[in-house]
Amino acid sequence: DAKTTQPTSMDCAEGRAANLPCNHSTISGNEYVYWYRQIHSQGPQYIIHGLKNNETNEMASLIITEDRKSSTLILPHATLRDTAVYYCIVRPGSSNTGKLIFGQGTTLQVKP
Amino acid sequence: SAVISQKPSRDICQRGTSLTIQCQVDSQVTMMFWYRQQPGQSLTLIATANQGSEATYESGFVIDKFPISRPNLTFSTLTVSNMSPEDSSIYLCSAQSFTETQYFGPGTRLLVL
Repeated sequence: DAKTTQPTSMDCAEGRAANLPCNHSTISGNEYVYWYRQIHSQGPQYIIHGLKNNETNEMASLIITEDRKSSTLILPHATLRDTAVYYCIVRPGSSNTGKLIFGQGTTLQVKP
Repeated sequence: SAVISQKPSRDICQRGTSLTIQCQVDSQVTMMFWYRQQPGQSLTLIATANQGSEATYESGFVIDKFPISRPNLTFSTLTVSNMSPEDSSIYLCSAQSFTETQYFGPGTRLLVL
């Protein structure tokens, strides 16, 4: 079973920031938080990951709470092309298994 | 990042037949995986493709139904055997880079009639 909880769906206005929450209250000390998204009819796309510090790249920012029990993915200026299913996944670092266990994710609809 | 290609991109097959899906990565990777995504569902891990040895299957998936090969670091195949309509899904290959980030191929869309 997935170790994360995400809202089923969210809407966001084009040009505004999209803030996608994820609850991972049972996360272990060596587990990273990964975010992927899947645009319709495509393979999942890696977005960002982090352990405990906030992370930012060209696609998004990841904010992890101090207790690491939840996180938020931020798309700073959402576009229509950001409409997708967003998956939050926890996975051990330096994992010998490499498994990614996908939950149902959050369907983000960016509206004009 | 690793770029992953899959062949075929889609296929329509008759029940009882088998289909082999190929996955090619453009750089050396540590691990390769096969996932299934049934219509309207999330991704489910089928197995880890191990180089030069038998794949490691997840609960509910068996080698006779989904034989997997990985002859080298950048190539793997998944065969869907003795297909039934319930096997109609998207099959996705993924690969883990040396930075431990996992990248996905575009998927193979299979319809079994």
